[in-house]
Amino acid sequence: GESVGLHLPTLSVQEGDNSIINCAYSNSASDYFIWYKQESGKGPQFIIDIRSNMDKRQGQRVTVLLNKTVKHLSLQIAATQPGDSAVYFCAENLYNFNKFYFGSGTKLNVKP
Amino acid sequence: DVKVTQSSRYLVKRTGEKVFLECVQDMDHENMFWYRQDPGLGLRLIYFSYDVKMKEKGDIPEGYSVSREKKERFSLILESASTNQTSMYLCASYRGLAGGATDTQYFGPGTRLTVL
Repeated sequence: GESVGLHLPTLSVQEGDNSIINCAYSNSASDYFIWYKQESGKGPQFIIDIRSNMDKRQGQRVTVLLNKTVKHLSLQIAATQPGDSAVYFCAENLYNFNKFYFGSGTKLNVKP
Repeated sequence: DVKVTQSSRYLVKRTGEKVFLECVQDMDHENMFWYRQDPGLGLRLIYFSYDVKMKEKGDIPEGYSVSREKKERFSLILESASTNQTSMYLCASYRGLAGGATDTQYFGPGTRLTVL
């Protein structure tokens, strides 16, 4: 089946710096990708998504980049804040199918 | 905003007990999911439902069953709880194909189940 992986299990950044979290996916037919944030003791929250017909999408302080050639997804967080400390994971979905596949997550630690 | 609620945040049960985990969503979504989340393994799909009384097995259905009698409610049942079912259980809701709108899943807060 599909596999969604993350390069780094833990990422530590200084408050105010930019963070980059990476994700690799294996199914080239996947056409919808999502980044979630999960704080301790809570369910995952949607951050941003991107469809395969796009390379980049920006939200508030977050940007998702999609490189279909190498099947790579990244989440960039600008001016990282202590409230950004959480586990981040990506998910992929194949259009017309209701199943999502999730990575195991990267823990982001923001140092004050 | 979509709201997905789960009946319990923390639950402690004994081996062999029958356990019910309930999930309710308030956005009239057709699709609902049950996942378990374990350290290092990410989210693994147990069962999902795409309509009332319809269900499909996910990747790890063994030891679980589900019930969807009403559109807004999706229940996960552990017929005879075992210690290896100790985990965080997450319910999610999803509208399905919606053109250009966001098609993400919305998650509940999770139920941390401990089986002794």
